[in-house]
Amino acid sequence: DIQMTQSPSSLSASVGDRVTITCRASQGISNSLAWYQQKPGKAPKLLLYAASRLESGVPSRFSGSGSGTDYTLTISSLQPEDFATYYCQQYYSTPRITFGPGTKVDIK
Amino acid sequence: EVQLVESGGGLVQPGGSLRLSCAASGFTFSSYEMNWVRQAPGKGLEWVSYISSSGSTIYYADSVKGRFTISRDNAKNSLYLQMNSLRAEDTAVYYCARDRGYFGPEYFDYWGQGTLVTVSS
Repeated sequence: DIQMTQSPSSLSASVGDRVTITCRASQGISNSLAWYQQKPGKAPKLLLYAASRLESGVPSRFSGSGSGTDYTLTISSLQPEDFATYYCQQYYSTPRITFGPGTKVDIK
Repeated sequence: EVQLVESGGGLVQPGGSLRLSCAASGFTFSSYEMNWVRQAPGKGLEWVSYISSSGSTIYYADSVKGRFTISRDNAKNSLYLQMNSLRAEDTAVYYCARDRGYFGPEYFDYWGQGTLVTVSS
């Protein structure tokens, strides 16, 4: 299976900060990557797919980039509602899809 | 409005069985592939199973293969997960999730609120 890692595992940031989360796959995944946001006690929410395509209704401060094995999620100006855990997920090797371990973003 | 509502979770002893249901509304259920994804307490997300829109193609994670069975009833707009031979490590919140893809599990644009399954004696 393709293993996904995320860094950092957690970070503390302030409102207005630019935040970048990195996701690395154990082999190339050709931009077959999705990002989700999950708040405590809630279901995950799709933010981006195909590495950089913003899901409808998701604020434009969220963006994604990358290629090959390395991908990033960027929040250009962190808002209070963005404090959450973020997961990447590859679907290149469907049906053996895998999630990253998550990155928790909390308030500094 | 798309809605997915899971039910059927609860406390079950190791080796026992449970059947989860997911009621879908607000979209043409029969046109979409569906999945179950689980999350152990305090842990990350794990894909469990996939079923195509017609039900003709099914996949399972290795961790549940041979023990879990996914199914759907398009006439009732419902998705199911029959879980047998349950183990402590199956303890998790189980989410049903709508798939945006066409050829196997890809990414998930709508999720239910989840139902908690606890396997313990």
